[in-house]
Amino acid sequence: SAVISQKPSRDICQRGTSLTIQCQVDSQVTMMFWYRQQPGQSLTLIATANQGSEATYESGFVIDKFPISRPNLTFSTLTVSNMSPEDSSIYLCSAEGQRYTEAFFGQGTRLTVV
Amino acid sequence: GNSVTQMEGPVTLSEEAFLTINCTYTATGYPSLFWYVQYPGEGLQLLLKATKADDKGSNKGFEATYRKETTSFHLEKGSVQVSDSAVYFCALSDLRDNYGQNFVFGPGTRLSVLP
Repeated sequence: SAVISQKPSRDICQRGTSLTIQCQVDSQVTMMFWYRQQPGQSLTLIATANQGSEATYESGFVIDKFPISRPNLTFSTLTVSNMSPEDSSIYLCSAEGQRYTEAFFGQGTRLTVV
Repeated sequence: GNSVTQMEGPVTLSEEAFLTINCTYTATGYPSLFWYVQYPGEGLQLLLKATKADDKGSNKGFEATYRKETTSFHLEKGSVQVSDSAVYFCALSDLRDNYGQNFVFGPGTRLSVLP
């Protein structure tokens, strides 16, 4: 299994600013993902963080708004740019190892934009 | 595309009651099936999984059986405890373009267990 540390665990930010969320895995993993979980909702995949190349974004999410880095096999960051109150959500980092194993999740970052 | 449907919550039960949370899925191919649990203020934790038809996943008294004929993966527990209060997500995964997995999550079912 993999242990994922995500920080910050929560933050309150002013609109128009940006926040970078960090995700550290205790072992090398093949895939890392970023999800958004809006209040009372399920998880929505934002993007796949690719090691050494640009992230792959899902429909409705763009790099200018959610730039992602993945410099190595154990670390990734997600930046929420030019925030508005609609960005208030929980952001979750996830990692997967070999095929057909479960996904592991960080504890999430609860973001409130005021 | 793939999808997961869960029974709507919230579900409120008394301690020691029997729990069933229904989950059905639509998928091409042969997905793996999962139940994740999210306790208040925390991320998702894997509760149990099944990777092929007729497999039964079990953990902490919870069970779910992969039923291909009914495309279902219902979660059950014989006697719930207050500490089981959480949101439960049914999920499936399949191959994504021959690398990694593509996870699809259900909407989640909030369970509240009263003493």
